[in-house]
Amino acid sequence: GENVEQHPSTLSVQEGDSAVIKCTYSDSASNYFPWYKQELGKRPQLIIDIRSNVGEKKDQRIAVTLNKTAKHFSLHITETQPEDSAVYFCAARLSGNTPLVFGKGTRLSVIA
Amino acid sequence: SAVISQKPSRDICQRGTSLTIQCQVDSQVTMMFWYRQQPGQSLTLIATANQGSEATYESGFVIDKFPISRPNLTFSTLTVSNMSPEDSSIYLCSVKGGGGYNEQFFGPGTRLTVL
Repeated sequence: GENVEQHPSTLSVQEGDSAVIKCTYSDSASNYFPWYKQELGKRPQLIIDIRSNVGEKKDQRIAVTLNKTAKHFSLHITETQPEDSAVYFCAARLSGNTPLVFGKGTRLSVIA
Repeated sequence: SAVISQKPSRDICQRGTSLTIQCQVDSQVTMMFWYRQQPGQSLTLIATANQGSEATYESGFVIDKFPISRPNLTFSTLTVSNMSPEDSSIYLCSVKGGGGYNEQFFGPGTRLTVL
């Protein structure tokens, strides 16, 4: 089955700097890659996603890039703010009716 | 996105007892899943709840321990049976819409503590 590796496990950045989180997946047939943000005590929230036919997607300060050849995708957060502090999870899916497989998460701390 | 509710939001249970968690969605959804999230950990899939048939369980999870029902396209239950302290976790319902929509959303979770 699919396996998703996520790095780093923790990341601290100064407010205003950029943060990058990277994930790799094992099954080249995977075609959907979402990112979730989970604040303490809350449910995971979908923040951005990308399909396998797209190389990059941007939404304001966040962007995701996908390299199908290398089987890796990354989350980029620019101009980080304290409210960006949370745990971020990447995930991958093989097909529309299969469940997401999650990475182990990255705890991001933005230091004011 | 679908509005997902779970009941109970939290519970404290005694060892050896069972708890049934309910998941209700405000619209019909194609897929419903149950995940477990242990403290400080990632999301682990327990099973896919199939409407009108037996759930599909992931490796390490069995029906006798985690029976699941899905009587229709908006509702599912997960039972945690014969609980032990190792079952203390957050249990999350998750849904995916039909058609070409890929997005998968999560319920608020049920925080279970087993004494």
